[in-house]
Amino acid sequence: SYVLSQPPSVSVAPGQTARISCGGNNIGSKSVQWYQQRPGQAPVLVIYADADRPSGIPERFSGSNSGNTATLTIDRVEVGDEAGYYCQVWDITSVPVFGEGTELTVL
Amino acid sequence: EVQLVQSGAEVKKPGESLTISCKGSGYNFTNYWIAWVRQMPGKGLEWMGIIYLPDSETRYSPSFQGQVTLSADKSISTAYLQWSSLKASDTAIHYCARITVAAPNTFDSWGQGTLITVSS
Repeated sequence: SYVLSQPPSVSVAPGQTARISCGGNNIGSKSVQWYQQRPGQAPVLVIYADADRPSGIPERFSGSNSGNTATLTIDRVEVGDEAGYYCQVWDITSVPVFGEGTELTVL
Repeated sequence: EVQLVQSGAEVKKPGESLTISCKGSGYNFTNYWIAWVRQMPGKGLEWMGIIYLPDSETRYSPSFQGQVTLSADKSISTAYLQWSSLKASDTAIHYCARITVAAPNTFDSWGQGTLITVSS
């Protein structure tokens, strides 16, 4: 089965840029989604199709995907961005696969 | 406004049965799929299964095949997740999520989650 690898944690100071990676075999050939899960809340879609933002998601959130790594980038990080972030793709058998998740800490 | 509203928290004993629900509103229920996702305490998201509306065909993660049953009542825009015999390891928050039928099939709206606690 397809495996997505994420770092367990990323730390960044307010106002700086956070980059969260999602590794997978030839992930660049797949469409990647990213979900934000604030503490005690349900997940929320923040990026779909590698780099598109749903309505209501700030432009500070962006995504890229190439080769074996997809990246979620959060510019001008705010305290409210502190959350778990999960990448997701569909594997070749049309089942969803989630990464293990990355906890973003805003120092 | 699109909403998925789940049934409330449950406390059950091992071996008991349980059905939880997820009611959709603000959209045509049968134009999307519904997935169920488990989150054990302090852990990540695990896909459990998908019910493909409008024909209610189901597909289960191998980890949950035979352990749970997905169903839906389209007349009341509600999906269900059922256990016939709970285990302590079923203790988790369970989310329903709407999946867009068009590619790239995103989980674009989520329920608030239902906490299930299984303890003797």
